[in-house]
Amino acid sequence: GQSLEQPSEVTAVEGAIVQINCTYQTSGFYGLSWYQQHDGGAPTFLSYNALDGLEETGRFSSFLSRSDSYGYLLLQELQMKDSASYFCAVRALTGGGNKLTFGTGTQLKVEL
Amino acid sequence: DTEVTQTPKHLVMGMTNKKSLKCEQHMGHRAMYWYKQKAKKPPELMFVYSYEKLSINESVPSRFSPECPNSSLLNLHLHALQPEDSALYLCASSQDEGGTYNSPLHFGNGTRLTVT
Repeated sequence: GQSLEQPSEVTAVEGAIVQINCTYQTSGFYGLSWYQQHDGGAPTFLSYNALDGLEETGRFSSFLSRSDSYGYLLLQELQMKDSASYFCAVRALTGGGNKLTFGTGTQLKVEL
Repeated sequence: DTEVTQTPKHLVMGMTNKKSLKCEQHMGHRAMYWYKQKAKKPPELMFVYSYEKLSINESVPSRFSPECPNSSLLNLHLHALQPEDSALYLCASSQDEGGTYNSPLHFGNGTRLTVT
């Protein structure tokens, strides 16, 4: 089976930098994605890593280490609107096909 | 607003009712998905359609029946549900079923289902 673990909650102040970690166990790994979901909203795609290293998209960066089955999302210059749940998600080829499985989710609270 | 439209936004149904959830996208995506999400939990995959054919069924009970009438539409037919089926049902689409950067999932805002 597949498993993805994240911290359940992270709190930070506006303007700070926060890192949300994700460790995963899976076979047939293709890549690691990150999604943001505000309360009552739809998950929205943030980033994708297929290869080791850092991908930067504006204030958000995502890192992957395939050998360690580990990745993280880095959020810089935090804003109040970044308060949301963040999910890592693994794309993997399993016996049932190519599918995206979400991690346990991290609720980020940004405070003044 | 999202480019994936789900109706209805809210649905309350009894355990003997039959209802359908609808999902529509006009992005030319060829893969469509149903996910179920309980409060404070991650989305859980239910079904995947690729090029209008069911490619993944995550051992979902038969009281949930998916249908893909064409490449833009996805339905989820509900019958004889249980109270524990109450959840947010999310529809998503992607360019294809692949895992590349060009195939992120686009989610609708979901249908919040309550089974009484």
